[in-house]
Amino acid sequence: EIVMTQSPATLSVSPGERATLSCRASQSVSSNLAWYQQKPGQAPRLLIYGASTRATGIPARFSGSGSGTEFTLTISSLQSEDFAVYHCQQYNNWPSTFGQGTKVEIK
Amino acid sequence: EVQLVESGGGLVQPGGSLRLSCAASGFTFRTYRMHWVRQVPGKGLVCLSYINGDGSDTTYADSVKGRFTISRDNAKNTLYLQMNSLRAEDTAIYYCVTDLIVGATGATNYWGQGTLVTVSS
Repeated sequence: EIVMTQSPATLSVSPGERATLSCRASQSVSSNLAWYQQKPGQAPRLLIYGASTRATGIPARFSGSGSGTEFTLTISSLQSEDFAVYHCQQYNNWPSTFGQGTKVEIK
Repeated sequence: EVQLVESGGGLVQPGGSLRLSCAASGFTFRTYRMHWVRQVPGKGLVCLSYINGDGSDTTYADSVKGRFTISRDNAKNTLYLQMNSLRAEDTAIYYCVTDLIVGATGATNYWGQGTLVTVSS
């Protein structure tokens, strides 16, 4: 099973600042990597798939990069609605696996 | 508008059974692979199982293999998860999830609202 490791566990950022979240896979997942946003009491929402393609309706301030084992989600200018938990997911191998999440909180 | 509505969760004793349902609408259900994902509140997400569009191919995580069965009724646009021999560690919120759906303005997947399963005596 591929282990996905996200860092940091918590990221404290001021509104308007840039946030950079990392996700590392224990073996190559090619570009088969997705990012999700999850707010309390809600289901996850897909942000990025294919490592860098924004899902339908996702603002351009969200961008993804990377391939192989190292991936990054960047939020260029944090808005109030962006404070949430972010999960990465590899879907290259079964079982598809998620990281433990990064909480982006208000500084 | 795509909607996924799960039902069937609740409190069950260890060793018991539950059947979860996920009623789908707003897309051509029979053409898409569907997934079950669970999450212990406050913890990470875990993929449990998926089924292809016509129901002929299913796959399971080791943690539920032999205990859980995924199925679908394309005539009713409904996905199921039969859960047997439930354990305390199966306590979680269970989500049904679509595969990536490509539309006119891009692609995304869809998640239900989740149904809570609690396994406790």
